[in-house]
This record gives sequence, C-alpha cells and structure tokens, in this order.
Amino acid sequence: NAGVTQTPKFRILKIGQSMTLQCTQDMNHNYMYWYRQDPGMGLKLIYYSVGAGITDKGEVPNGYNVSRSTTEDFPLRLELAAPSQTSVYFCAVAEFLYEQYFGPGTRLTVT
Amino acid sequence: GESVGLHLPTLSVQEGDNSIINCAYSNSASDYFIWYKQESGKGPQFIIDIRSNMDKRQGQRVTVLLNKTVKHLSLQIAATQPGDSAVYFCAELQGAQKLVFGQGTRLTINP
Repeated sequence: NAGVTQTPKFRILKIGQSMTLQCTQDMNHNYMYWYRQDPGMGLKLIYYSVGAGITDKGEVPNGYNVSRSTTEDFPLRLELAAPSQTSVYFCAVAEFLYEQYFGPGTRLTVT
Repeated sequence: GESVGLHLPTLSVQEGDNSIINCAYSNSASDYFIWYKQESGKGPQFIIDIRSNMDKRQGQRVTVLLNKTVKHLSLQIAATQPGDSAVYFCAELQGAQKLVFGQGTRLTINP
C-alpha cells in the first residue's frame, strides 16, 4: 500500500518546455488535489477533483492543466514553463474533504 | 482578501517544555480548521482538526484551542520532543472543497 505516489521527485525545465507531474493513489479516495509550495510559504491550491471526470480550479490555476480519467491518477500539466513556476508541488488525496494525505512532492526548477 | 496567517514564523523551545503555535484567521464564517506538520523534505501530515462549534480538542500530546471571538487558533504540544521539529501550518476550510493554508511556523527543539 504505497498511499500517494508522485513522480518525478526532481526536475529542471527550461523556460517554455512542458511536462507532466504524475500523481497516483492506491487509497481509492475520491478527492484529489494539487498544491504548490514556494520557499518559506504555505501551500496554495492549483486544481482539485472530487471524482473521476470532474476537476475544478483552485487559487492559482494559471499556467496549469489537469485531467482525472480514473480514480487513481490525477496528472498536472505545465504547457509553457516559466520561472514563476519554480516550486515544490504536492499532490493530496482525501476520502472526505478534511483529512488530506499528501504525497512526497516534486521539486521543480524552471531556468 | 481574507486569509489565514501566523503570528510568528519561528519558535524555539527546550526539549521537554510545552510548545504553543498560534494562528490568526480573518474569515469569521469559517467553521473548520486543521493543523498540519511538515518535516523537511516531506509532505504535510495531518495532526488535529477542530470545528467552529468547539473551543478545544485534544489528541495525543497535542491540543488545539479555538477562540472565535478574536479569530485565533493555537496548537499546543506537550513535552516537546526532538521529533516535533518541523514546520506547522494551520489551514482553514473555505467554501465546500478548499483548504487555505497559512504561512507556517518553524518549530526548533533545543536539547
């Protein structure tokens, strides 16, 4: 039982490149979330999903896209990477809204 | 806009002492709050939560206090141990699906 898995752990992108951050869960939870955490700051919600086929914007969705075709997977897509997207990205899952379980994070640098 | 914030960014305590971490919130309509612990290089971990119809809730070595009059939340950790060293975030439920995180307080334990 791995819980919440995120790949890759680290990535360096050049400005304008694209990439997909993967998030997979084996907890069979409906709620999934993507957050970004800038240095010394709290987490900001990018996108979330309440179930397969349903996604919605969070606080900072610009520059990102998501999809939720299965319960298990919730990938986050960056189409044109910008330095402002340098951050640590966390995926979280929840059976109910309240108690969210976080993955280990992906550290992304855009140069 | 309304936000969740923390009084102090850092807190140092002696091992064995009690720790108190504070959080101010501005949305008087919020009815649910969570405390998370984030160790270095890891995702946040749920500690304890409290609903607005409660003033106090206790867990194992932790207590959360909610003062709705002054919109203040605190996390008390009893007999602080080295393993308690981490960044602690309060989070506020806003709307039906979104948690808004504060900046965080770094707790350091002195031997």
